[in-house]
Amino acid sequence: KAGVTQTPRYLIKTRGQQVTLSCSPISGHRSVSWYQQTPGQGLQFLFEYFSETQRNKGNFPGRFSGRQFSNSRSEMNVSTLELGDSALYLCASSLDQPQTGELFFGEGSRLTVL
Amino acid sequence: GENVEQHPSTLSVQEGDSAVIKCTYSDSASNYFPWYKQELGKRPQLIIDIRSNVGEKKDQRIAVTLNKTAKHFSLHITETQPEDSAVYFCAALGGSTGGFKTIFGAGTRLFVKA
Repeated sequence: KAGVTQTPRYLIKTRGQQVTLSCSPISGHRSVSWYQQTPGQGLQFLFEYFSETQRNKGNFPGRFSGRQFSNSRSEMNVSTLELGDSALYLCASSLDQPQTGELFFGEGSRLTVL
Repeated sequence: GENVEQHPSTLSVQEGDSAVIKCTYSDSASNYFPWYKQELGKRPQLIIDIRSNVGEKKDQRIAVTLNKTAKHFSLHITETQPEDSAVYFCAALGGSTGGFKTIFGAGTRLFVKA
């Protein structure tokens, strides 16, 4: 079974631009979560989608948005990029069961904002 | 909001010694507590987890303990080896059928010196 796939793996943008990141979950996984990883800050929760609906949202500004498609693939968008948005963005999929919440992570998209 | 605190941020041990990482969580509704290991340049991967109805769980050299009353949980690694060197994240999963959210600690960078 293929793992979680994220594209692109690396990208460089300049301040003010916008970026879209893509995530394909493991087949059969309907829950997709997004995390921002920066040194010293760990994994900060951005949002979680299930069946095309955003169910949970972290404490990020409205410049960060996402969506999920009917095939469970998800995208996240960051508009009006700032230098502080430079980070590794990780997507994780799960079976969405209360008894086990194991997250399966992709390799991430490393965004550099210049 | 929900919060998970993790200590220490950095831990250096001699090969063969034990390592202990401690976490506290704020959401009393949390019921699943996973630990993830992230090696340099790789994705986080689940190494052990514990559910709220269990106080301790062991898997070879690693063990996790949970004190729900105090909202504490800990990771214990015995007989550490150089390949244990990585960043370890604790996490807490809470929520309901309306959506689950995994909140991570800031991570502990473990160095095992040969």
